[in-house]
Formats: sequence, C-alpha cells, structure tokens
Amino acid sequence: LAKTTQPISMDSYEGQEVNITCSHNNIATNDYITWYQQFPSQGPRFIIQGYKTKVTNEVASLFIPADRKSSTLSLPRVSLSDTAVYYCLVGGGATNKLIFGTGTLLAVQP
Amino acid sequence: EPEVTQTPSHQVTQMGQEVILRCVPISNHLYFYWYRQILGQKVEFLVSFYNNEISEKSEIFDDQFSVERPDGSNFTLKIRSTKLEDSAMYFCASTEGVVEQFFGPGTRLTVL
Repeated sequence: LAKTTQPISMDSYEGQEVNITCSHNNIATNDYITWYQQFPSQGPRFIIQGYKTKVTNEVASLFIPADRKSSTLSLPRVSLSDTAVYYCLVGGGATNKLIFGTGTLLAVQP
Repeated sequence: EPEVTQTPSHQVTQMGQEVILRCVPISNHLYFYWYRQILGQKVEFLVSFYNNEISEKSEIFDDQFSVERPDGSNFTLKIRSTKLEDSAMYFCASTEGVVEQFFGPGTRLTVL
C-alpha cells in the first residue's frame, strides 16, 4: 500500500483558500486518491476522490498531476467549521480497507 | 440522508468483561467495517465483512474480537475479555462499494 506524507498541521483564516498537499510517491496504477475529514470525536467523512487531473465537487477540489505522485486538496473560502483533521488516503476502491495516516490538522481562525 | 448509527455512544466496562458494540449500517450497503481510534492516534482498520463472512482483518483483530451480522440490519463487534488498551473510539463503516465508506458516530469504549 502506498504511503502518504502530509503536513502535520496548517493554520488559516476565515475566507481564505487552503491547499493541503499530500505526497504518495509509490502510488500504484490502480490506486485512487481519497480525502476524508474528521472532526473531534466523530467518524471520518468522505470529501473527494480522484484518479488523475482535477476533480471538483460542492465542497472541495482535488488536483492530481500527471505523475500522480502527489495531490492537493483545495478548500475554497474556509470557515471556522472547517477546522478538522484532513486525511489523504491512497488505495483501491471503496470496498478496500482504508489506511489512515496521521492527517493534517487544519486550524481556521477568525 | 441515510446514515450509519452506533450504540451505545459511550460504554464503560471493567477489565476482563465482555462488550458488544452495535452498528446499523446504511440499508442497501453490503460491505461493513470496524475501525478504532485510540485517543490522539490514527484511525486503525480492524476488520471488513462481506457476504456474511470476514473478508479481511488486521493484526489487532485477534481471538478476543469477533463480528456478527445477526439479522438483516445490525452489525456487531464483540470483545470477549476487554483489556485496558482496548479503550478507544470504535467506528463502524459501510459502503455499497462505489466510492466512499460511510462512518458512524462511534462508540467510546472505556476499560477500567
């Protein structure tokens, strides 16, 4: 399973765009890149998934370069409620076990 | 919106006691999981379950752990003889297998 590396923490202010980058140098051809969000004392929640190029949904965008060795989660105009831990996961489809790293603690300040 | 539910939200038990954690996955999902998260640590995979049998388990999921789908709606995790180090948040998850796993709110297990 591909190992992921992401910053331990990031700080931001309300209204700013936040980009969290994840490295996954050993990603396999059939691996997807998936991001989850976790608030304290809650279960992780799916944010977005991609395979290559760019994916956008109502909450985030995911940028994946051609070599797929990294990915960037982009959160537009964050608010205080976006304060959470964000996990980058690399692996097969939804039926596979999820391997979580330590994630990135995003702290949004007023 | 359908969601995964878990009961109880908090369970306190004495070391050596048996506990059963309960989960109701989303109704049309076929794949079920248990994860745990010790306070301040990573979310760890315990076991996956499909077609009424375990499809994969981690090293954590030893003989003290078992899972069961006793009826068409519930999915349970049993710890036969709890240890202090079993204290953690236990999350149930389910998926229909398309994109994402849906997690429940968790059960906080405290072993005294």
